[in-house]
Amino acid sequence: GQNIDQPTEMTATEGAIVQINCTYQTSGFNGLFWYQQHAGEAPTFLSYNVLDGLEEKGRFSSFLSRSKGYSYLLLKELQMKDSASYLCAVTSTDSWGKLQFGAGTQVVVTP
Amino acid sequence: EAQVTQNPRYLITVTGKKLTVTCSQNMNHEYMSWYRQDPGLGLRQIYYSMNVEVTDKGDVPEGYKVSRKEKRNFPLILESPSPNQTSLYFCASSLMDRVYEQYFGPGTRLTVT
Repeated sequence: GQNIDQPTEMTATEGAIVQINCTYQTSGFNGLFWYQQHAGEAPTFLSYNVLDGLEEKGRFSSFLSRSKGYSYLLLKELQMKDSASYLCAVTSTDSWGKLQFGAGTQVVVTP
Repeated sequence: EAQVTQNPRYLITVTGKKLTVTCSQNMNHEYMSWYRQDPGLGLRQIYYSMNVEVTDKGDVPEGYKVSRKEKRNFPLILESPSPNQTSLYFCASSLMDRVYEQYFGPGTRLTVT
């Protein structure tokens, strides 16, 4: 099975950068992805990493190191609308359709 | 509009009274999944389906049933609900080769008294 850890909460100022770390332990890693969830809403897909390295998508970037079981989501030029929960999730080679999510990191952006 | 719909959005019921939460998608997605979300525990997968007539257990399948008779629908059935099934439930769908990019429904908030 998988064990996924991410911090519970982070606070940052508008315009700043925040890095959300995620560590995982899995029996057969097949990919890691990030979702954003605003309060009272459904999660929405942000990014997907299957190979080591950095994937950049505008203000958001995601990094993966498979040897370390580690990923981070980098949010640059923070905006108030980035206040949300960020969910790290993995899937395994044992079962492509079986997903496991971390508990989520609540990011609070202050003026 | 491409979307995943769930009904009902809110439901309060009593222990033991069978209920069904419907989920439908109009994107011709092969993959569909059900999750429950509880404070401090994040999203936990209940069941998923890779295609019609193919369903598999997620991490927390006890007390739930699903069926996938049509591609667009994936109902979640609670045969005998209990208070520990009080939760926020999400249905999601995706293309089979892009299960990392799931489209979620708006959620169903279930309270079992």
